[in-house]
Amino acid sequence: QKEVEQNSGPLSVPEGAIASLNCTYSDRGSQSFFWYRQYSGKSPELIMFIYSNGDKEDGRFTAQLNKASQYVSLLIRDSQPSDSATYLCAVNEGGGADGLTFGKGTHLIIQP
Amino acid sequence: NAGVTQTPKFQVLKTGQSMTLQCAQDMNHNSMYWYRQDPGMGLRLIYYSASEGTTDKGEVPNGYNVSRLNKREFSLRLESAAPSQTSVYFCASRSQGPDTQYFGPGTRLTVL
Repeated sequence: QKEVEQNSGPLSVPEGAIASLNCTYSDRGSQSFFWYRQYSGKSPELIMFIYSNGDKEDGRFTAQLNKASQYVSLLIRDSQPSDSATYLCAVNEGGGADGLTFGKGTHLIIQP
Repeated sequence: NAGVTQTPKFQVLKTGQSMTLQCAQDMNHNSMYWYRQDPGMGLRLIYYSASEGTTDKGEVPNGYNVSRLNKREFSLRLESAAPSQTSVYFCASRSQGPDTQYFGPGTRLTVL
């Protein structure tokens, strides 16, 4: 059974600081990794995807992947109150069409 | 370009009633998915369709059936609703370039 683990939080971060969200996965065959943001009552919205070991930056967001440690992280720089949401880590085993395995999400609160 | 649309947005059923949740996408994607999201459980895959004419079970298929009507539409049917099927249901479609999934707005279902 594929598992994706996240700390449920809440994670409280002051405005302007760096928020660090972490995720571990159980299936070593996993190839594609995603971070979604979900506001309360809304659908998940894709923020970042990463396929290769290392860092990938997009604006204030940086995704980090370490396949040897089976670890994915998301850094949010200069955190804003609008970043307050639940962040979902998701994994696709082989890049195929058989759906994503999601973690339960981390609730992030940015304190003004 | 509406992306992924779902109907209805809200539904209340009595135990034993049946209903069909509708999903359509206008992005010409081959693969479509149905997930359910429960508090504290994250998103779980119910069924998916890798391409028109094919469907496969996901993690939690019991009590559900699906139909891939054409490339655009993928419906989810509850034949005899149970209180355990109270959940928020999300439809998604998958882009292959890059490999990402886009979610519809969701259907909030309550079974009494």
